[in-house]
Amino acid sequence: NAGVTQTPKFQVLKTGQSMTLQCAQDMNHEYMSWYRQDPGMGLRLIHYSVGAGITDQGEVPNGYNVSRSTTEDFPLRLLSAAPSQTSVYFCASSRDIAGGTDTQYFGPGTRLTVL
Amino acid sequence: AQSVTQLDSHVSVSEGTPVLLRCNYSSSYSPSLFWYVQHPNKGLQLLLKYTSAATLVKGINGFEAEFKKSETSFHLTKPSAHMSDAAEYFCVVISNFGNEKLTFGTGTRLTIIP
Repeated sequence: NAGVTQTPKFQVLKTGQSMTLQCAQDMNHEYMSWYRQDPGMGLRLIHYSVGAGITDQGEVPNGYNVSRSTTEDFPLRLLSAAPSQTSVYFCASSRDIAGGTDTQYFGPGTRLTVL
Repeated sequence: AQSVTQLDSHVSVSEGTPVLLRCNYSSSYSPSLFWYVQHPNKGLQLLLKYTSAATLVKGINGFEAEFKKSETSFHLTKPSAHMSDAAEYFCVVISNFGNEKLTFGTGTRLTIIP
């Protein structure tokens, strides 16, 4: 199993550009989520999904869109990038659709810089 | 409501000496607690978790943590540090009832001195 994969590993954008961060998992997990990691702030939940066709907002959803057309894929879209979105982005998945006590499996991250 | 506080942003220990990373939590309901480790430029990996069974939890790579309800703590320990333990460690809490999602601490960077 590849686990959770993310592409790209690194990305530089200019303010106002849009892009999609890709996330895929091959463990047949129903629950998937996106986090951003900023220095001194831990990880914060952006959006999550409890299955194909079902998504919901997390703690910091503004400026991001998600969709879940298949169990495997959960892309994160930045509609109009801003410098405040410079961060490291992690995708995670788990069996537990409540996103609670089950082990979260994390991808290797995407380091995004917005100029 | 739930929150987690990691009391040290940076801990340095010599190789072969004990490791103690401190974590306090608050939760409106009984909590589940986790420690995750992040090695440089990698994703997070589960070290151990407490989900209301035994209060002393053993994890991978010789780490363990003890859930102390009276002190609202879940400190991570290891008897003897190894160079490969150098990483960032995150304490994570979730209430076992309600609609809360995982809350991550701000992280503790562990440095091992040769």
